[in-house]
Amino acid sequence: EPEVTQTPSHQVTQMGQEVILRCVPISNHLYFYWYRQILGQKVEFLVSFYNNEISEKSEIFDDQFSVERPDGSNFTLKIRSTKLEDSAMYFCACLKGGGTDTQYFGPGTRLTVL
Amino acid sequence: DAKTTQPNSMESNEEEPVHLPCNHSTISGTDYIHWYRQLPSQGPEYVIHGLTSNVNNRMASLAIAEDRKSSTLILHRATLRDAAVYYCILRISNFGNEKLTFGTGTRLTIIP
Repeated sequence: EPEVTQTPSHQVTQMGQEVILRCVPISNHLYFYWYRQILGQKVEFLVSFYNNEISEKSEIFDDQFSVERPDGSNFTLKIRSTKLEDSAMYFCACLKGGGTDTQYFGPGTRLTVL
Repeated sequence: DAKTTQPNSMESNEEEPVHLPCNHSTISGTDYIHWYRQLPSQGPEYVIHGLTSNVNNRMASLAIAEDRKSSTLILHRATLRDAAVYYCILRISNFGNEKLTFGTGTRLTIIP
């Protein structure tokens, strides 16, 4: 069964550094998402992306965040200058579209900001 | 967004049925009821969804009250692998690409 993959599984970075989290969605899916989950808290929506544009973003997704689909297969989340409070699990998800409504999630990247 | 209410936690014995309740008294006529679950250290995973009629799939069954103000996810024979946080989520349409809004869910513990 096709699955969403994410790399790295764990990223440790210093505060103020840039990080790029990578996701490879399921190949024929058209809608892409990033969510995050701070330890012990709810899964929170960050951003949705379709047709090479952001469809919706949450208040969390400020100017420090950006998303890109650089080569038609990868979907990346960049945090320009990480803060301590960015430490969380980041999940990529995708949805096929065209009448299906199931989002498929990746295993997540644990980001630790020191 | 219409809100859902779930118990914080539940326990069940292995190989017994589990009924996970969800209240959504402010549900609108176009809201679909979705269930996802999150196994330990994993991303959320789709379980089942429905609108008005009860639904069955290989993972679970979804029983929807006649007034749609509540629903119950039924795991017919719980295994240790079913230990997870279960989320009941309302979505406006069955065809949209809208985001998922997660609550705190129900943490299901399976007792061997």
